[in-house]
Amino acid sequence: EVQLLESGGGLIQSGGSLRLSCAASGFAFNRNAMSWVRQAPGKGLEWVSGLNYNGDTTYYADSVKGRFIVSRDNSKDTVSLRMNSLRVEDTAVYYCARVSGVAGGSYAVFDYWGQGTLVAVSS
Amino acid sequence: SYELTQPLSVSVAMGQTARITCGGNNIGSKNVHWYQQRPGQAPVLVIYRDTSRPSGIPERFSGSNSGNTATLTIYRAQAGDEADYYCQVWDSSTPWVFGGGTKLTVL
Repeated sequence: EVQLLESGGGLIQSGGSLRLSCAASGFAFNRNAMSWVRQAPGKGLEWVSGLNYNGDTTYYADSVKGRFIVSRDNSKDTVSLRMNSLRVEDTAVYYCARVSGVAGGSYAVFDYWGQGTLVAVSS
Repeated sequence: SYELTQPLSVSVAMGQTARITCGGNNIGSKNVHWYQQRPGQAPVLVIYRDTSRPSGIPERFSGSNSGNTATLTIYRAQAGDEADYYCQVWDSSTPWVFGGGTKLTVL
């Protein structure tokens, strides 16, 4: 059974940094791209960042480019999101999602999701 | 950047057919995927590549895509189908793009 377990969320002041982690199990982690998707309170889904199966290709939404860094450790089956210079508008539940394929592309869908971790940024 | 437009809400009588649209420039040339998100839960993939259903998704869920509009159709709507639904595509300028979401109410 595929499982994704996020951790690392919490309350942080504006301008601060936080590192989210996602522990994967139940599948061959090094065969799938991974991604982060967030959802602000009462709002829709917003894709944040992703990376291919071995981490040498990364993708970022314009809203986080230059502030967030995505990485993975295939020896530990984990993907991380380092979030710097946090803003109030980054407040959201952050979901880790498995991508159905080794990289992004038109066929790449989010076929499994974690339960999310809440990041709250205060001013 | 590529944009996807969904209606904020759709209502359907129980047992009837619900249609949720997703508009985008020449979206018919893209692969469209749909997610269901029940209150307090993580999203679930219900349709991928326009028309395919993952295992475990009822046949009542169907998708189509042509021109500037993709459509998620839910036949014989049930109370358990009440949820937010999001369309999603891949675009070279923005990688993964989501629509704004549609709240489905089953009356």
